[in-house]
Amino acid sequence: GNSVTQMEGPVTLSEEAFLTINCTYTATGYPSLFWYVQYPGEGLQLLLKATKADDKGSNKGFEATYRKETTSFHLEKGSVQVSDSAVYFCALSDRRDDKIIFGKGTRLHILP
Amino acid sequence: NAGVMQNPRHLVRRRGQEARLRCSPMKGHSHVYWYRQLPEEGLKFMVYLQKENIIDESGMPKERFSAEFPKEGPSILRIQQVVRGDSAAYFCASSPPGLAGGRGNEQFFGPGTRLTVL
Repeated sequence: GNSVTQMEGPVTLSEEAFLTINCTYTATGYPSLFWYVQYPGEGLQLLLKATKADDKGSNKGFEATYRKETTSFHLEKGSVQVSDSAVYFCALSDRRDDKIIFGKGTRLHILP
Repeated sequence: NAGVMQNPRHLVRRRGQEARLRCSPMKGHSHVYWYRQLPEEGLKFMVYLQKENIIDESGMPKERFSAEFPKEGPSILRIQQVVRGDSAAYFCASSPPGLAGGRGNEQFFGPGTRLTVL
């Protein structure tokens, strides 16, 4: 079945550091891929998405590229801020049905 | 345009009681999804509903759990005779109707209800 694997946290970085959170997936067909962010005490917000191979999703300085050959969708940001501290979820949606399959989440701490 | 609303935000129940969680989708959205997040886990799909219809309940436990989305009013996730293992955050998401129902459309999430079973 479909699944998402992302690097375990917590990840602790200093402000302005480069961020990579790895995500790989297993899916039949051609899923859509997402990164969601959950700030403390809040629900999930869609951060970015990509719907086909080689698409790059980007938002708020974050980027992720849909790599079909490596079945990956790694999240990157060139210079993180304290306000980026949150839990980040990689996810996929198989367009044949309606479920979103989530990874376990990666907690990110940014130190000032 | 208000986002997805869920209430209560926090719910405490004793073992054996019933829990009712409510979700009001975004205006214009006719598709509702419920997910459960256990501590230190990702979200797991439970059920997908349209107005007055359950479309996919493959993630719902077979006993004690039920969901509805009536013609009027919010969607309700009901857990009967709660046990400690039901303690989790329950998230609702909604999406607009699309060319093929809600399939493939972006889902917008509510803030969640955190259920604690004593």
